[in-house]
This record gives sequence, structure tokens and C-alpha cells, in this order.
Amino acid sequence: DSGVTQTPKHLITATGQRVTLRCSPRSGDLSVYWYQQSLDQGLQFLIQYYNGEERAKGNILERFSAQQFPDLHSELNLSSLELGDSALYFCASSVEQGAITEAFFGQGTRLTVV
Amino acid sequence: AQKVTQAQTEISVVEKEDVTLDCVYETRDTTYYLFWYKQPPSGELVFLIRRNSFDEQNEISGRYSWNFQKSTSSFNFTITASQVVDSAVYFCALINAGNNRKLIWGLGTSLAVNP
Repeated sequence: DSGVTQTPKHLITATGQRVTLRCSPRSGDLSVYWYQQSLDQGLQFLIQYYNGEERAKGNILERFSAQQFPDLHSELNLSSLELGDSALYFCASSVEQGAITEAFFGQGTRLTVV
Repeated sequence: AQKVTQAQTEISVVEKEDVTLDCVYETRDTTYYLFWYKQPPSGELVFLIRRNSFDEQNEISGRYSWNFQKSTSSFNFTITASQVVDSAVYFCALINAGNNRKLIWGLGTSLAVNP
């Protein structure tokens, strides 16, 4: 158990809909990362937050947004969903205080858009 | 540009064989970190090792060992006496120490260890 909790584990929704994925980082970790894993594109970094502020941005679509709350949990919002958004979405957390530390991953949310 | 290449898409071995997973990276930065993660069939990503660019010492952890060579930009992973439980997809990843810290992933090597 990595200590990172993601909910829900599975999500099935229709095209055009909006969903919210939730992540609770490990206790003490200030950084939260979101990744998308799909069969054709592999693991893609979406976005990172550190202590509530956006730190780095990757290949995140404009239809997607994220935030990190004062209690450090994070949410990834996916809107106007398309079939191609079906993927495994991972959240990871790390201490990330100065030196780069390893990130620990949640079990992922499998999103299926039908 | 940063890039991680795992040339081996799939490897299949018989239990107790040794197997090496290759990882070649590209970066223009002098300070960077390399990682290996394991993704078993259950889907979670499990951290295995982190290595920074100034530490070229090889590391051994049980049946796992890592060979970091800056001269060839490689960070290879060897499993000795493989076991069925080692069956997983293994990812190599790179991150630079600059302000824009994005973890760049290889496409992974799927390892099947057969009894």
C-alpha cells in the first residue's frame, strides 16, 4: 500500500459528461501529480501541484483542470469527455522539498467513456 | 529534449533465468534523476529505485540490480533468478532538476516470467 488513495477506482460515463477524480496524498507529502496512462500514448504527465499551487504542467487538455486543496487532497476534473479520454488516471505524491524525491502512486482510476 | 527509450517491448523468460531490462535516456541537463517503476497486473505503479546523475554507483537490492552508465546514457535493470511474481511492466523514467520538473517515461517493457 503506497499510502496514496484515489477514488473512485472505476468510472464509466458517457461522452460529453464531466467527472471528478479525487486523490489523497500520503501523509506529509506536499506534491501531487496527475498522470494519464493509455494504451497508445503510455504514461503522460498531466499536472503537478505543490502545497496548493500549480508547479508544472504537462500534456493536459484545456477540457481538464485540477486543483489542490488546503488539506492537500487534489481533484482532477475532466469535462466534455470524449471516447479518447478513456484511460487509467494515476495520482502520485511526493515530499518534494528542494531535492527531487520519488513519487508514490495510487492504484489509479480507470475511466471508460462510452 | 528529454526522452527515455526502452527498446524492449516484451521479454519472456523462464523462471530462474536472469533478465536485463534496458533503458537509454536523453537530456541536456547535467542534473537529473532516473527512476524505475514496476506495474504488476493489478495496475498500481510501484517505486523501485531513484538515482541522481552524480551517483554512478551500481545498486543491488536482493535479486534486483541497477547499472547506471552516464557515458552511454543508460540505466539498465537486472533481475537475477527471476520469479513468476516478477511478471509486470517495468518503466524507466527521467526528471530534470530544473524548475519544470516533468517526469518523462519510457513506454515500458512487459516482462513475462514463465514457470
